[in-house]
Amino acid sequence: EVQLVESGGGLAQPGGSLRLSCAASGFSFSGSWMSWVRQTPGEGLEWVAHMNYDGSEKYYVGSVKGRLTISRDNAQNALYLQMNSLRIDDTAVYFCVAWSPPHSHWGRGTLVTVSS
Amino acid sequence: DIVMTQSPLSLPVTLGQPASISCRSSQSLVYSDGRTCLHWFQQRPGQSPRRLINDVSNRDSGVPDRFSGSGSGTDFTLKISSVEAEDVGIYYCMQYTSWPHTFGQGTKLEIK
Repeated sequence: EVQLVESGGGLAQPGGSLRLSCAASGFSFSGSWMSWVRQTPGEGLEWVAHMNYDGSEKYYVGSVKGRLTISRDNAQNALYLQMNSLRIDDTAVYFCVAWSPPHSHWGRGTLVTVSS
Repeated sequence: DIVMTQSPLSLPVTLGQPASISCRSSQSLVYSDGRTCLHWFQQRPGQSPRRLINDVSNRDSGVPDRFSGSGSGTDFTLKISSVEAEDVGIYYCMQYTSWPHTFGQGTKLEIK
């Protein structure tokens, strides 16, 4: 069974930091591109960051460049999102997404709330 | 960034009737290798999104055949041939031709 389990969300102050983790199992993690996608409460979906198999290619949406960093550990089947200089508009549910052709897998998400 | 525009944003449908959602992109979604890079996702209430259709018209594993995707260039359509109660939710198109990948605003399907 495919599982993507996010953790690390919570309450942070503006300017603060959080580190999200995603534990993957049940598919070829090292053979998958991985992404973080967020959804603001009651709103739509926004792609945040994207990484290829070995981490040599990374892409970010403009609003998070220089503040959020995606990384992975293929030996541990884990994906990470280091979130620094958090802003109020980073408040969202963050989903871990695996692109394992021909499949796409989504976790349940972890809620990040940025508030003073 | 490529802007994805869906219509309608709200779609009340009678059970058993067909439904259609339009998605238009601000530029062509044809990639340099000839692929057209558009997916459709469904998000049921309280659940994570799941992909229904990949690369315009290919149903993902386990997706009922009442769902179909079509289109080319900048105009795309998701059709449900006969809406069932379990189809309630929000539907999103998404382009991955260029970074950042972008989603449409979502179309909320509800039962009349």
